[in-house]
Amino acid sequence: DTAVSQTPKYLVTQMGNDKSIKCEQNLGHDTMYWYKQDSKKFLKIMFSYNNKELIINETVPNRFSPKSPDKAHLNLHINSLELGDSAVYFCASSQDAPIQYFGAGTRLSVL
Amino acid sequence: LAKTTQPISMDSYEGQEVNITCSHNNIATNDYITWYQQFPSQGPRFIIQGYKTKVTNEVASLFIPADRKSSTLSLPRVSLSDTAVYYCLVGLIPPPRFVYKIIFGKGTRLHILP
Repeated sequence: DTAVSQTPKYLVTQMGNDKSIKCEQNLGHDTMYWYKQDSKKFLKIMFSYNNKELIINETVPNRFSPKSPDKAHLNLHINSLELGDSAVYFCASSQDAPIQYFGAGTRLSVL
Repeated sequence: LAKTTQPISMDSYEGQEVNITCSHNNIATNDYITWYQQFPSQGPRFIIQGYKTKVTNEVASLFIPADRKSSTLSLPRVSLSDTAVYYCLVGLIPPPRFVYKIIFGKGTRLHILP
Protein backbone atom coordinates (compact mmCIF):
# COMPACT_ATOMS: atom_id res chain seq x y z
CA ASP A 1 0.00 0.00 0.00
CA THR A 2 1.33 3.41 -0.97
CA ALA A 3 1.59 5.62 2.10
CA VAL A 4 0.99 8.96 0.34
CA SER A 5 -0.72 8.75 -3.02
CA GLN A 6 -1.44 11.50 -5.49
CA THR A 7 -3.63 11.54 -8.55
CA PRO A 8 -3.18 12.12 -11.36
CA LYS A 9 0.52 11.44 -11.92
CA TYR A 10 0.53 13.55 -15.05
CA LEU A 11 -1.73 16.44 -15.98
CA VAL A 12 -1.58 18.29 -19.30
CA THR A 13 -3.98 21.14 -19.80
CA GLN A 14 -4.52 24.45 -21.55
CA MET A 15 -4.04 27.89 -20.10
CA GLY A 16 -7.13 29.23 -18.41
CA ASN A 17 -8.49 25.82 -17.41
CA ASP A 18 -9.30 24.75 -13.85
CA LYS A 19 -7.84 21.51 -12.53
CA SER A 20 -7.57 19.56 -9.28
CA ILE A 21 -4.94 17.28 -7.82
CA LYS A 22 -5.88 14.82 -5.11
CA CYS A 23 -3.80 13.48 -2.25
CA GLU A 24 -4.51 10.74 0.25
CA GLN A 25 -2.38 9.35 3.05
CA ASN A 26 -2.99 6.10 4.92
CA LEU A 27 -0.42 6.73 7.64
CA GLY A 28 -2.87 8.18 10.13
CA HIS A 29 -0.96 11.48 10.18
CA ASP A 30 -2.59 14.70 11.31
CA THR A 31 -0.66 17.05 9.05
CA MET A 32 -0.50 17.27 5.27
CA TYR A 33 1.38 19.57 2.92
CA TRP A 34 1.56 20.70 -0.68
CA TYR A 35 4.92 21.55 -2.25
CA LYS A 36 5.80 22.89 -5.69
CA GLN A 37 9.03 21.87 -7.44
CA ASP A 38 9.81 24.07 -10.42
CA SER A 39 12.01 23.41 -13.44
CA LYS A 40 15.10 24.44 -11.48
CA LYS A 41 14.26 21.74 -8.95
CA PHE A 42 13.62 24.12 -6.06
CA LEU A 43 11.12 22.58 -3.68
CA LYS A 44 8.89 25.14 -1.98
CA ILE A 45 6.13 24.65 0.51
CA MET A 46 2.75 26.03 -0.49
CA PHE A 47 0.24 24.94 2.14
CA SER A 48 -0.09 22.84 5.23
CA TYR A 49 -3.16 21.51 7.01
CA ASN A 50 -3.38 20.06 10.49
CA ASN A 51 -6.55 18.12 11.24
CA LYS A 52 -8.35 19.82 8.37
CA GLU A 53 -7.27 23.28 9.49
CA LEU A 54 -5.06 25.51 7.35
CA ILE A 55 -1.83 26.23 9.23
CA ILE A 56 0.71 27.30 6.61
CA ASN A 57 -0.24 29.43 3.64
CA GLU A 58 2.81 30.70 1.83
CA THR A 59 2.78 33.44 -0.76
CA VAL A 60 0.76 31.58 -3.31
CA PRO A 61 -1.68 33.12 -5.82
CA ASN A 62 -5.23 32.77 -4.63
CA ARG A 63 -5.95 30.81 -7.79
CA PHE A 64 -4.62 27.92 -5.71
CA SER A 65 -7.10 26.66 -3.17
CA PRO A 66 -6.42 23.67 -0.94
CA LYS A 67 -9.25 21.65 0.53
CA SER A 68 -9.09 19.06 3.26
CA PRO A 69 -12.33 17.08 3.59
CA ASP A 70 -10.75 14.96 6.33
CA LYS A 71 -7.30 14.59 7.81
CA ALA A 72 -6.39 11.80 5.38
CA HIS A 73 -7.04 13.91 2.29
CA LEU A 74 -5.69 17.19 1.01
CA ASN A 75 -6.70 18.28 -2.46
CA LEU A 76 -5.36 21.18 -4.48
CA HIS A 77 -7.59 23.08 -6.87
CA ILE A 78 -6.06 25.50 -9.34
CA ASN A 79 -8.17 28.05 -11.22
CA SER A 80 -7.28 29.83 -14.44
CA LEU A 81 -4.07 27.92 -15.00
CA GLU A 82 -1.07 29.86 -16.27
CA LEU A 83 2.12 28.77 -18.03
CA GLY A 84 4.11 29.46 -14.85
CA ASP A 85 2.07 26.91 -12.96
CA SER A 86 3.85 24.14 -14.84
CA ALA A 87 5.79 22.20 -12.24
CA VAL A 88 5.76 19.02 -10.20
CA TYR A 89 3.46 19.22 -7.20
CA PHE A 90 4.19 17.03 -4.21
CA CYS A 91 1.92 16.12 -1.36
CA ALA A 92 3.42 15.11 1.99
CA SER A 93 2.29 14.19 5.48
CA SER A 94 3.82 14.12 8.95
CA GLN A 95 2.95 13.30 12.53
CA ASP A 96 4.61 14.94 15.51
CA ALA A 97 8.06 14.97 13.93
CA PRO A 98 9.89 17.02 11.31
CA ILE A 99 9.97 13.94 9.11
CA GLN A 100 7.66 14.19 6.16
CA TYR A 101 6.52 11.42 3.86
CA PHE A 102 6.13 12.50 0.27
CA GLY A 103 3.98 11.28 -2.56
CA ALA A 104 5.36 10.51 -6.02
CA GLY A 105 4.33 13.88 -7.39
CA THR A 106 1.98 15.22 -10.04
CA ARG A 107 3.66 16.65 -13.12
CA LEU A 108 1.51 19.54 -14.36
CA SER A 109 2.12 20.91 -17.84
CA VAL A 110 0.19 24.01 -18.89
CA LEU A 111 0.20 24.62 -22.63
CA LEU B 1 15.47 28.87 9.99
CA ALA B 2 19.19 28.26 9.61
CA LYS B 3 20.53 28.52 6.09
CA THR B 4 22.45 25.56 4.74
CA THR B 5 25.25 25.34 2.20
CA GLN B 6 26.18 22.13 0.46
CA PRO B 7 28.06 21.26 -2.74
CA ILE B 8 25.97 21.52 -5.86
CA SER B 9 27.19 18.22 -7.25
CA MET B 10 29.50 15.30 -6.55
CA ASP B 11 30.69 12.29 -8.50
CA SER B 12 31.83 9.01 -7.04
CA TYR B 13 32.30 5.39 -8.05
CA GLU B 14 30.44 2.29 -7.09
CA GLY B 15 31.72 0.69 -3.92
CA GLN B 16 33.18 3.90 -2.55
CA GLU B 17 32.15 5.66 0.61
CA VAL B 18 30.62 9.06 -0.11
CA ASN B 19 30.63 11.94 2.32
CA ILE B 20 28.48 15.01 1.71
CA THR B 21 29.11 17.94 3.99
CA CYS B 22 26.59 20.62 4.83
CA SER B 23 27.40 23.94 6.50
CA HIS B 24 24.88 25.55 8.83
CA ASN B 25 26.70 28.27 10.73
CA ASN B 26 23.55 29.81 12.17
CA ILE B 27 22.09 26.64 13.61
CA ALA B 28 19.99 27.28 16.71
CA THR B 29 20.07 25.36 19.96
CA ASN B 30 16.78 23.58 19.26
CA ASP B 31 17.49 22.77 15.63
CA TYR B 32 17.79 19.25 14.33
CA ILE B 33 19.67 18.29 11.17
CA THR B 34 17.76 16.22 8.67
CA TRP B 35 18.76 14.72 5.35
CA TYR B 36 16.43 13.76 2.52
CA GLN B 37 17.11 11.90 -0.72
CA GLN B 38 15.26 12.52 -3.96
CA PHE B 39 15.41 10.24 -6.99
CA PRO B 40 14.34 11.57 -10.40
CA SER B 41 10.56 11.65 -10.77
CA GLN B 42 9.99 10.83 -7.11
CA GLY B 43 9.25 12.75 -3.96
CA PRO B 44 11.96 13.34 -1.32
CA ARG B 45 12.56 10.49 1.09
CA PHE B 46 13.76 10.90 4.67
CA ILE B 47 17.20 9.36 5.22
CA ILE B 48 18.49 10.35 8.63
CA GLN B 49 18.18 12.92 11.38
CA GLY B 50 20.44 13.94 14.24
CA TYR B 51 21.13 16.55 16.86
CA LYS B 52 24.75 15.95 17.84
CA THR B 53 27.65 13.47 17.58
CA LYS B 54 26.87 10.49 15.39
CA VAL B 55 23.73 8.80 14.21
CA THR B 56 23.66 5.62 12.16
CA ASN B 57 20.86 3.70 10.53
CA GLU B 58 20.63 1.02 7.87
CA VAL B 59 21.04 3.56 5.09
CA ALA B 60 23.59 6.14 6.23
CA SER B 61 25.54 7.76 9.03
CA LEU B 62 25.39 11.35 10.11
CA PHE B 63 28.38 12.98 11.77
CA ILE B 64 27.87 16.22 13.68
CA PRO B 65 30.82 17.99 15.33
CA ALA B 66 30.54 19.53 18.76
CA ASP B 67 29.90 23.05 17.47
CA ARG B 68 27.11 21.73 15.19
CA LYS B 69 27.95 24.27 12.51
CA SER B 70 28.27 21.54 9.93
CA SER B 71 27.24 17.96 9.39
CA THR B 72 28.38 15.14 7.12
CA LEU B 73 26.17 12.54 5.56
CA SER B 74 28.11 9.35 4.94
CA LEU B 75 26.89 6.73 2.48
CA PRO B 76 28.86 3.48 2.74
CA ARG B 77 29.72 1.51 -0.41
CA VAL B 78 27.48 3.38 -2.82
CA SER B 79 25.86 1.77 -5.82
CA LEU B 80 24.46 3.20 -9.04
CA SER B 81 21.04 3.35 -7.39
CA ASP B 82 22.32 5.94 -4.92
CA THR B 83 22.42 8.50 -7.73
CA ALA B 84 20.06 11.17 -6.46
CA VAL B 85 19.80 14.66 -5.03
CA TYR B 86 20.54 14.88 -1.29
CA TYR B 87 19.08 17.72 0.76
CA CYS B 88 20.40 18.93 4.09
CA LEU B 89 17.77 20.65 6.21
CA VAL B 90 18.12 22.42 9.52
CA GLY B 91 15.40 23.71 11.73
CA LEU B 92 12.66 22.85 14.10
CA ILE B 93 9.86 25.31 14.54
CA PRO B 94 8.17 24.75 17.88
CA PRO B 95 4.90 23.42 16.64
CA PRO B 96 1.70 25.12 17.67
CA ARG B 97 -0.03 22.10 16.32
CA PHE B 98 2.85 19.95 15.16
CA VAL B 99 3.18 21.49 11.75
CA TYR B 100 6.72 21.57 10.47
CA LYS B 101 7.73 24.02 7.81
CA ILE B 102 10.67 22.50 6.00
CA ILE B 103 12.79 24.71 3.79
CA PHE B 104 14.56 22.78 1.08
CA GLY B 105 17.80 24.20 -0.34
CA LYS B 106 19.31 23.35 -3.69
CA GLY B 107 20.66 20.01 -2.54
CA THR B 108 23.67 18.05 -3.74
CA ARG B 109 23.34 16.13 -6.96
CA LEU B 110 25.27 12.89 -6.40
CA HIS B 111 26.23 10.93 -9.47
CA ILE B 112 27.58 7.42 -9.01
CA LEU B 113 29.71 6.07 -11.83
CA PRO B 114 30.29 2.39 -12.63
